[in-house]
Amino acid sequence: AQTVTQSQPEMSVQEAETVTLSCTYDTSENNYYLFWYKQPPSRQMILVIRQEAYKQQNATENRFSVNFQKAAKSFSLKISDSQLGDTAMYFCAFMRTSGSRLTFGEGTQLTVNP
Amino acid sequence: NAGVTQTPKFRVLKTGQSMTLLCAQDMNHEYMYWYRQDPGMGLRLIHYSVGEGTTAKGEVPDGYNVSRLKKQNFLLGLESAAPSQTSVYFCASKRQTGTNTGELFFGEGSRLTVL
Repeated sequence: AQTVTQSQPEMSVQEAETVTLSCTYDTSENNYYLFWYKQPPSRQMILVIRQEAYKQQNATENRFSVNFQKAAKSFSLKISDSQLGDTAMYFCAFMRTSGSRLTFGEGTQLTVNP
Repeated sequence: NAGVTQTPKFRVLKTGQSMTLLCAQDMNHEYMYWYRQDPGMGLRLIHYSVGEGTTAKGEVPDGYNVSRLKKQNFLLGLESAAPSQTSVYFCASKRQTGTNTGELFFGEGSRLTVL
C-alpha cells in the first residue's frame, strides 16, 4: 500500500515571499502520478500541479513549482511571490499510473500574512 | 459547467438514522469516488467505482454502502448513522483513458453531523 506523509501541519509566510511545503511518499511502484491539491476555505478541492514519475523535469505552473526527487521519494511544492489568496490547506497525493485510487497526505495549512 | 454535484450540502442526523448522499457528474467519467475528510487525517477513501454497476471498498468502508446504477451517479448510504461518521464527504470522478487520466474532479463537499 502507498502512503503519503506531510510533516508540516501548519506553515505561514509573508505576502510576496516564497514558501516550500514538504511531502514524502512510500511506494514500490515505478510509474505513478503525484499531485498537489489546494483547499481554500470554500472547501473546494483545486488541482495545483501534477507530476508524472517518468518525467525528470520538475513541473511548473506559474508561481507554483515542484522539486521531485524520485530516489528520495520526495515531492515538495514551492510557492513563489505568495499571495493572500494562496491561504489554504494543501494536500499532496499519489496515484499509480495503472491504478484508480488517489492516496492523500494529512495536509498542510498555509497562511499568507499581509 | 456543472462538473461534480453533491446533494445535500449539509445534513444533521440523529444516531441510528439513515441517509443517502447523491453524487452526479456530467463529464462522462468512468471512475467515481467517495472520500471523507477529518481534521489532521486528510481525505480517506470510503468506496469507489470503476464503472457502471461496479463498486469496491476503499480504506474506511465500514458503516457505508454505495451503488452505481447509472454511470453519472454514485450514491453513498449510511444505514445507521453514528457520531464517528460526522465528517465532510467529498465525491470525485475521473476519466479512464485519454490525457490527464490521473486528475480527480471534486464536488464541493457535504458536511454531515451525527448527534
